[in-house]
Amino acid sequence: QVQLQESGPGLVKPSQTLSLTCGVSGGSISSGGYYWSWVRQPPGKGLEWIGYIYYGGNTFYNPSLKSRVIISVDTSKNQFSLKMKSVTAADTAVYYCVRHRYYYENNDHYNSFDTWGQGTLVTVSS
Amino acid sequence: QTVVTQEPSLTVSPGETVTLTCASSSGAVTSGYYPNWFQQKPGQPPRALIHSTTQKHSWTPARFSGSLLGGKAALTLSGVQPEDEAEYYCLLHYAGAYVFGTGTKVTVL
Repeated sequence: QVQLQESGPGLVKPSQTLSLTCGVSGGSISSGGYYWSWVRQPPGKGLEWIGYIYYGGNTFYNPSLKSRVIISVDTSKNQFSLKMKSVTAADTAVYYCVRHRYYYENNDHYNSFDTWGQGTLVTVSS
Repeated sequence: QTVVTQEPSLTVSPGETVTLTCASSSGAVTSGYYPNWFQQKPGQPPRALIHSTTQKHSWTPARFSGSLLGGKAALTLSGVQPEDEAEYYCLLHYAGAYVFGTGTKVTVL
């Protein structure tokens, strides 16, 4: 049973860089077919997909955040990370790491988001 | 940017059936958007219910089902239980990127 755990500072100053890490336990981040995403949720609001990384390093970002975000992976530590620069109060949110899988089985394609971390609240304030 | 719209809120009585929908501003939702559905209760992370339009996870209760309905993705709760009161989100795949729906608050009264 794979588990994900977010970690990082709970408070970041405006204009600085937000840095979070997601530790993966119970399975290898290098398992083929799995993608690793970051999703955030401002207090009292809906979910927003930030971007994903594949263990080989390929990434894909939300176009609205692409200029400020970098997602990286460290397979030796079985973890992946999020860096978001030039943060403002609008970036205050609970940040989740999520595992998903795109696969082909029984002559059909599937795309499944299955495992979420518990989330970590990041507040942007001076 | 594409907007994915859901009903803001729905109220249902225990034992009834309710259908939530997920519409794309770019046109009809098809299986190629691989609709996923999630349930979120206050203070908890989202929990996956449905993937790839109709596929249930091993932990998904049988009363939850996914489909395509009138150009939208749909989540049907058959025989609603009090514990189904929650926020529900859909997620659509657009050529690499993903967009969450606006969310539906389901109240069981």
